[in-house]
Amino acid sequence: NAGVTQTPKFQVLKTGQSMTLQCAQDMNHEYMSWYRQDPGMGLRLIHYSVGAGITDQGEVPNGYNVSRSTTEDFPLRLLSAAPSQTSVYFCASSRDTGGEQYFGPGTRLTVT
Amino acid sequence: RKEVEQDPGPFNVPEGATVAFNCTYSNSASQSFFWYRQDCRKEPKLLMSVYSSGNEDGRFTAQLNRASQYISLLIRDSKLSDSATYLCVVRASGTYKYIFGTGTRLKVLA
Repeated sequence: NAGVTQTPKFQVLKTGQSMTLQCAQDMNHEYMSWYRQDPGMGLRLIHYSVGAGITDQGEVPNGYNVSRSTTEDFPLRLLSAAPSQTSVYFCASSRDTGGEQYFGPGTRLTVT
Repeated sequence: RKEVEQDPGPFNVPEGATVAFNCTYSNSASQSFFWYRQDCRKEPKLLMSVYSSGNEDGRFTAQLNRASQYISLLIRDSKLSDSATYLCVVRASGTYKYIFGTGTRLKVLA
């Protein structure tokens, strides 16, 4: 099992550019989520999904879109990158909605 | 008031010491509780879930106090490799959202 994988590991964008952060898991987990981590603020939930075709907003969803067309994949789209979106992004999955989450290695994004 | 609060530390302790962290939560309907450890520039990794009756895993013991709304993590016989940031995570009943504390930094000194 690869667990939770994320690509790319690093990315630099210019303001206004769009991109998609990829996340995949091979554990057949129903629940997947995206977080951003900023210094002094902990991990904050951006979007989450409780199964294929079902997504919902977390604490900080503005500027991000998600979709969940398969159980395995949960991409995060930045629509028009802003410097405030400079952060480390983590994807996580869990077998069900109340269980332990397992994290991917993260994507370090810089927006200039 | 933050939903989940932790003392940021750092807690500097000598090898072999016992150290304890607390994490308070504001939502009395919270139902699931976890401790994660995070090394510098790495992803969080599950350390242990926290059960109502308390639970132990080797040198680590987790406790839940629902009346006072906090969870605790006790580390016995600290090792240099225990140096990390420890994150408290809480999920409220009826929601699918996990709330993370900002973490407590532990440094174990030789």
